[in-house]
Amino acid sequence: DAGVIQSPRHEVTEMGQEVTLRCKPISGHNSLFWYRQTMMRGLELLIYFNNNVPIDDSGMPEDRFSAKMPNASFSTLKIQPSEPRDSAVYFCASSVYEQFFGPGTRLTVL
Amino acid sequence: KNQVEQSPQSLIILEGKNCTLQCNYTVSPFSNLRWYKQDTGRGPVSLTIMTFSENTKSNGRYTATLDADTKQSSLHITASQLSDSASYICVVSRGNTDKLIFGTGTRLQVFP
Repeated sequence: DAGVIQSPRHEVTEMGQEVTLRCKPISGHNSLFWYRQTMMRGLELLIYFNNNVPIDDSGMPEDRFSAKMPNASFSTLKIQPSEPRDSAVYFCASSVYEQFFGPGTRLTVL
Repeated sequence: KNQVEQSPQSLIILEGKNCTLQCNYTVSPFSNLRWYKQDTGRGPVSLTIMTFSENTKSNGRYTATLDADTKQSSLHITASQLSDSASYICVVSRGNTDKLIFGTGTRLQVFP
């Protein structure tokens, strides 16, 4: 198994632009998680899905952030419009019991 | 407030030496406690998972302990290697949800 796949690995964009991060979970995993990691705040859960249904989105910073999981093998995290304070590494993880993390997307908003 | 605190923030040791990382938590209700290793530029990787009834678990040179009464855990690394240089994150699972609460990590550097 290739593990959790995320794309792109790096994204540099300008303030105000839309950013879409993508995640393919491990086949057979029924839960998917989006995290954000910064030096100041460490890892923070943004949202998680169970069987493609959003269960807890209380960590989503504001309305500029949205996440979807249209099927069991794909999820997106969208930021529109992006701001410099959104610069961070965004991780996707999937699980049945233990969470397996993807390699992350390093986002830089100029 | 549900929190996970780790100490020290950073640690430098020489190759071959042992070290112990600490984790205190106030998460309630407690479900399980995990230690993750995160190499630079990579996602976290699970080392151990312990439930309420377990007080020690090993994974090679890594040994985690859990005292559910005092809400403390430690991760002991034996005979450190250069490849142990990474951040080690203590994570507590709350109740019967999938939601994890993360500590801010201990940055370990192993020098030759």
